[in-house]
Amino acid sequence: NAGVTQTPKFQVLKTGQSMTLQCAQDMNHEYMSWYRQDPGMGLRLIHYSVGAGITDQGEVPNGYNVSRSTTEDFPLRLLSAAPSQTSVYFCASSGSDDWETQYFGPGTRLLVL
Amino acid sequence: DAKTTQPPSMDCAEGRAANLPCNHSTISGNEYVYWYRQIHSQGPQYIIHGLKNNETNEMASLIITEDRKSSTLILPHATLRDTAVYYCIVLSGTYKYIFGTGTRLKVLA
Repeated sequence: NAGVTQTPKFQVLKTGQSMTLQCAQDMNHEYMSWYRQDPGMGLRLIHYSVGAGITDQGEVPNGYNVSRSTTEDFPLRLLSAAPSQTSVYFCASSGSDDWETQYFGPGTRLLVL
Repeated sequence: DAKTTQPPSMDCAEGRAANLPCNHSTISGNEYVYWYRQIHSQGPQYIIHGLKNNETNEMASLIITEDRKSSTLILPHATLRDTAVYYCIVLSGTYKYIFGTGTRLKVLA
């Protein structure tokens, strides 16, 4: 199993550009989520999904969109990037029989100029 | 979900037990206590969780006080690889984890 994979590893954007951060898991997990981590801070939940077709907002959802058309993939879209979205983004997943144990991806470092 | 308070940093000698405290004085009856850690800039790693009984697994032990207002994560024989930020999280049946800033544990050789 590859676990949770994220692409790209690093991205530089200009203000106003759009992009999609990719997240995939091969563990057939129902639960998936996106977090951002700013320097010196803990992780903050952006959006999460409890299954295909179901998503909900976390602590800091503004400026981000998500969709969950398949169990495996949970992309995060930035429609119009802002410097305040410069951060490290982590995707995580967990299964319904062990939902407390989240498995995290390696992260995507995003710099918005 | 209840809020947690952790010391910002701690040191521990290699081979000794590392005891990381967490205060969650507003915890309610159905809320679990979870511990994760983040080594360097990697994604966080699950360690252990519990409701009211003490728990132990291959990584650590979790001691929850009888009134459940605080808990302690114990790494019995800390190694240099245990140097990380440790997060205590309180959660009840939802997926809305709030990580906070955690405790930065440095294991000293």
